[in-house]
Amino acid sequence: GIQVEQSPPDLILQEGANSTLRCNFSDSVNNLQWFHQNPWGQLINLFYIPSGTKQNGRLSATTVATERYSLLYISSSQTTDSGVYFCAVYSWGKLQFGAGTQVVVTP
Amino acid sequence: NAGVTQTPKFQVLKTGQSMTLQCAQDMNHEYMSWYRQDPGMGLRLIHYSVGAGITDQGEVPNGYNVSRSTTEDFPLRLLSAAPSQTSVYFCASSYLAVGAYEQYFGPGTRLTVT
Repeated sequence: GIQVEQSPPDLILQEGANSTLRCNFSDSVNNLQWFHQNPWGQLINLFYIPSGTKQNGRLSATTVATERYSLLYISSSQTTDSGVYFCAVYSWGKLQFGAGTQVVVTP
Repeated sequence: NAGVTQTPKFQVLKTGQSMTLQCAQDMNHEYMSWYRQDPGMGLRLIHYSVGAGITDQGEVPNGYNVSRSTTEDFPLRLLSAAPSQTSVYFCASSYLAVGAYEQYFGPGTRLTVT
């Protein structure tokens, strides 16, 4: 099956810092989503982004499907950005998740 | 719309007991699925369904059964609970039309098997 790799596995940021999370995938995909799992365990849809660039407030994402990667940008990070960020790709009827990037934003 | 709902939120079972985790969606989505999340392992697909009457296995199906008698509901049954099934379970749904695969997740069920 398709492999999804996220990097880095862990990230510690000071409030106000910017960061980039990366998602690589091993095969062609029909879509890609980014999720944020908050400290209470809720999975929150951030972006549905099969290709191109999208922005939502301080977050933006870019997917280059031909090169099989996606990037999630967090700008001016806040403590509420803490949690785990997952990339997931949809291929052949199934959504395959990466292992996630654990983000901790310190005041 | 309530979106994707799951019940119960928490459950404790003894080894060997059976139970059903409920999942419902009110968005008329054809595709529904169940995932489990274990620490440090992301989410893994258990079973999925592309429509009423159609189900298929995912990555980790052993010990679980599903059925899909209606578009709205997709229950997950644990036949004989084992400690290895202690996990957080998420249900998800989406349309199946090309270009509309965005998945919506329920709030999760935290299951402990003692």
